[in-house]
Amino acid sequence: GENVEQHPSTLSVQEGDSAVIKCTYSDSASNYFPWYKQELGKRPQLIIDIRSNVGEKKDQRIAVTLNKTAKHFSLHITETQPEDSAVYFCAASKGTNAGKSTFGDGTTLTVKP
Amino acid sequence: NAGVTQTPKFRILKIGQSMTLQCTQDMNHNYMYWYRQDPGMGLKLIYYSVGAGITDKGEVPNGYNVSRSTTEDFPLRLELAAPSQTSVYFCASTSEGTWREQYFGPGTRLTVT
Repeated sequence: GENVEQHPSTLSVQEGDSAVIKCTYSDSASNYFPWYKQELGKRPQLIIDIRSNVGEKKDQRIAVTLNKTAKHFSLHITETQPEDSAVYFCAASKGTNAGKSTFGDGTTLTVKP
Repeated sequence: NAGVTQTPKFRILKIGQSMTLQCTQDMNHNYMYWYRQDPGMGLKLIYYSVGAGITDKGEVPNGYNVSRSTTEDFPLRLELAAPSQTSVYFCASTSEGTWREQYFGPGTRLTVT
C-alpha cells in the first residue's frame, strides 16, 4: 500500500519567515495530494491541494509543489503569522481508489511573534 | 448544511465495555471514512464505505465494526474496549470522483481505562 513520509515533525519559525514542509510518497499511481491544517482540538481542514497533472499551485501565502518523478511534494508558507501555528498533514490518494487517503504523521508548526 | 457531525464529543469507557460512535453527513456523499488519531500521530484509516450497504477494512480495523444502512449514517462500533483504543476518532466523507477533498467531523475523544 501507499506510504507517506513527512518532514520535519516540528518546525519553529519567526513571524514573517517562510516555512517549508516536505512529503514523499511511495505509490506512483497516487494522483491527488491534499494538505490539511489542524488547530489544537479541532478537525483537519483542507488548505490546498494539487493534482498530478500540475507541478505547482499557489493560493495567497500558501503554495504546493509536486515532483512526480521523485515522488515528493512540499508545502510552502510565506510571511508566516502566529495564526499559522498548527499541525499540518500531507496526504496522498489515488482518485479512483474509493477516495482513500494515506496521511503523513504531521508537522507541528510554531510561529513565534 | 451541517456537514459531518459526530456524537459524542467525549467518552470514558471501562475496559471491556462497548459503545457506538455516531457519524452523520448531510452532503449526500457516497464515500465515508473512520480514522483514529493517536497523540502526535497522523490519521490511520479504520474502515471506509463507498455507499450504503458496502464497507471495507482500512489500515487498522481490529477491534472495530461498522455498518452503512443509509447514505447519511456511518456508525463505528467498539466491542470489548481496550486501553489501546484510547484515541481521537474522526469521521470523514467525500463525494464520488477523482480529486475530492475529505470533509471531517469534529471528532470524538475516547479514553479507555
